[in-house]
Order: sequence, then C-alpha cells, then structure tokens
Amino acid sequence: DIQMTQSPSTLSASVGDRVTITCRASQSISSRLAWYQQKPGKAPKLLIYKASTLESGVPSRFSGSGSGTEFTLTIGSLQPDDFATYYCQQYNSYWTFGQGTKVEIK
Amino acid sequence: QVQLVQSGSELKKPGASVKISCKASGYTFTNYAMHWVRQAPGQGLEWVAWINTNTGNPTYAQGFTGRFVFSSDTSVSTTYLQINSLKAEDTAIYYCARVRYFDPLVFDIWGQGTMVTVSS
Repeated sequence: DIQMTQSPSTLSASVGDRVTITCRASQSISSRLAWYQQKPGKAPKLLIYKASTLESGVPSRFSGSGSGTEFTLTIGSLQPDDFATYYCQQYNSYWTFGQGTKVEIK
Repeated sequence: QVQLVQSGSELKKPGASVKISCKASGYTFTNYAMHWVRQAPGQGLEWVAWINTNTGNPTYAQGFTGRFVFSSDTSVSTTYLQINSLKAEDTAIYYCARVRYFDPLVFDIWGQGTMVTVSS
C-alpha cells in the first residue's frame, strides 16, 4: 500500500500569508496526486489534480507542484475562506489520503 | 445540477446492520464509478471501496472486506453501503463520491455525508 504523509499537521497563519503544505508518498506516484479542502461539517472539495491542475472554479491563489514522491500545495495569499483542513490523495494505486493539515488562524 | 444525495443519520447497536444510500442526479450514472470514504470523529479521510456502476462489481480497501457490502442499482441511480456486525469503531461519517473511469481518477463530486453511530 502507498502511504501519504503530510506536514505540518497544523499550521497557524494570518490573512495574507503565503502558506505551503507538503505531502510525501512512500513510493513514486508520478503526478497522480490530488488536493482537497474540507471545512467543518462539510464534505471535502477537490482543489487540484494531476499535482498541479486547478479544478474548475478554484481560485488561482491555490497552486500545486511536484512529482514522484514529493508534492506541495501553496496558497499564495491566505484568505478568510481558506481556513480549513487540507488533504492530499494519491490515485496511482487505489486511493490513499494523507492525514490532513489544519490551517488555523494565528 | 450534478449532485449526490445520501440517506440520513443512523444510530445502531453493536452487532446490528446498517444500509446507507447515495442517489446520483444530474449526470449519466453509469459514466462514473462510485466510491465510499469514511471519516471517524475528529479523524482524517479513509478510502473504503469503489464500485463499477456498469457491472456492479465492487472492490474493497484492506480492512473493509467481509463486513462491508457495496451494491448498485442503475434503475434508480443509487449505490448502497451495507455494514454488517457493526462495531463501535465503525462510528463515522460515510461519504460517497464519484470518480471518472479514466485519468484523473479523482473525487470531483461528493455526497453530504451520512453519520453512522454505533452505541449500546
């Protein structure tokens, strides 16, 4: 099974900050990596797939990069609506999620 | 519009069974696979299983074989997840989500979630 490890688990930031979340795969997954945003009491929402392709309707302040085993999600300028938990997910071999990164208000 | 609507919350006793549903609308049901994802209270997301909506053939993640039964009824565009011999650790929100049959195999539409509580 492919394991996904995110860091940090929690991130404290202010509105306007640039935020970066890292996701590592236990083996190469090419670019088959997605990012989801989840707010309390809500279902996850797809943000990015194929490591760097923005889902339709997702603001351009979100970006993704990486391939192989190391990936990043960057929020260029954190907005109030962005305080949430973010999950990476590999879909190269079945599906596995990272443990999540909670972005909270500093 | 495209949506997945799940059945309501369930409260069950240990050892009982539960069957939750996920009804799709706004798209051609058989053009997408359906998946279930579990989220225990305060925890992360865990992939449970997927079903080929054309053949009805399910595939389960490790740890979800035996007690979990994933089925599909194309006539009503609905998939079902039945959990037998419920345990306290099955307490979680269960989400359904659709996935294309071709790359990228990502979860683009999610149901609202169904809370299953197992308690005596």
